[in-house]
Amino acid sequence: DAMVIQNPRYQVTQFGKPVTLSCSQTLNHNVMYWYQQKSSQAPKLLFHYYDKDFNNEADTPDNFQSRRPNTSFCFLDIRSPGLGDAAMYLCATSRGSGYMNTEAFFGQGTRLTVV
Amino acid sequence: SQKIEQNSEALNIQEGKTATLTCNYTNYSPAYLQWYRQDPGRGPVFLLLIRENEKEKRKERLKVTFDTTLKQSLFHITASQPADSATYLCALASRSGGYNKLIFGAGTRLAVHP
Repeated sequence: DAMVIQNPRYQVTQFGKPVTLSCSQTLNHNVMYWYQQKSSQAPKLLFHYYDKDFNNEADTPDNFQSRRPNTSFCFLDIRSPGLGDAAMYLCATSRGSGYMNTEAFFGQGTRLTVV
Repeated sequence: SQKIEQNSEALNIQEGKTATLTCNYTNYSPAYLQWYRQDPGRGPVFLLLIRENEKEKRKERLKVTFDTTLKQSLFHITASQPADSATYLCALASRSGGYNKLIFGAGTRLAVHP
């Protein structure tokens, strides 16, 4: 039973053409994360939501935006993808209360290719 | 600056031996630390969580230690099997405003040979 679902699994987009990646969860978790992972590198945190509170990492490029219309869904928008944005994008959820979170559950990721 | 360091070189071991992976961090004071397994092309999967007031945690063949003085966690897999071959990521909780966020290391690739 898939709990964190990312769509699509593979996305090819043209240089500069806006693209949206989606994530949905059936766990009713209040915390959601977006990570970018390039080959052999650490997953790099882009954004996270704590309930409706949005937290943007200081080094996340302005080209990246996120929306969370409700608890179950979260979107990552890349306004003008560059070749350097090609990566695996991972969505994760956890249950959080103050400074204590449970483990994170990850989706299968979306592999983004920019041509 | 803040860093999470895991050995970037792959760890190759023989089946049945114990694998030990290291996670070192600087300029963090995490309330807890987690270990994940990641297979190629897939999202990480949670393995173990250890809190700052815990020295050791076990789950089946897995053991994690956490030394907040040394700023280090060790991850052990005993009686390793070829199916344990994967990349293992450590992640720590970093305070952000009123909450924690999860920051990952780059992982260490483990290869268990028959």
